[in-house]
Amino acid sequence: NAGVMQNPRHLVRRRGQEARLRCSPMKGHSHVYWYRQLPEEGLKFMVYLQKENIIDESGMPKERFSAEFPKEGPSILRIQQVVRGDSAAYFCASSPPARGELFFGEGSRLTVL
Amino acid sequence: AQSVTQPDIHITVSEGASLELRCNYSYGATPYLFWYVQSPGQGLQLLLKYFSGDTLVQGIKGFEAEFKRSQSSFNLRKPSVHWSDAAEYFCAVGGMDGQNFVFGPGTRLSVLP
Repeated sequence: NAGVMQNPRHLVRRRGQEARLRCSPMKGHSHVYWYRQLPEEGLKFMVYLQKENIIDESGMPKERFSAEFPKEGPSILRIQQVVRGDSAAYFCASSPPARGELFFGEGSRLTVL
Repeated sequence: AQSVTQPDIHITVSEGASLELRCNYSYGATPYLFWYVQSPGQGLQLLLKYFSGDTLVQGIKGFEAEFKRSQSSFNLRKPSVHWSDAAEYFCAVGGMDGQNFVFGPGTRLSVLP
């Protein structure tokens, strides 16, 4: 059973470009979470999604950031018009229903030039 | 609101010495508690978890943790540290429904030869 798959592992963007980060949850997992980790800092919750629904987006910046988890395909975290402050590692996690345990991917490291 | 504190930002121990990493939490309901480990440039790996039952839980790599409800603590221990244990350790608390999953700020462990 493959783990949580994130791609790309590394992404470089120039200021003003768009970044798209993808996350495929573990088989059988219907819940996806996105976290951001700034250098030398802990993990900050961004958004929690189930298939076709955003359950909690209280950690998402109000502008430029969006997330989706469509019925088919991976979850996407989209950052529009990136700025240098968006440079971070973005981690996706998944969990099965009513389990409460998160399984993490290896992360996507975004660098904004 | 739920929260997790890890009082020690950085701990250094000698190889072979015992280890205890502290974690205190605040949670409005029965908590699910977790310890994750993150090596540099890597994702998070689950060390152990507490859902219910025996308050002393065993995890991977020789780690254990004890849930003390009266102290709202879930400290991580290891009797003899190995150089490969050097990493960042995160305590987390969440609920069965997967919501309100919160991480502590992390404790960086350094191991002296």
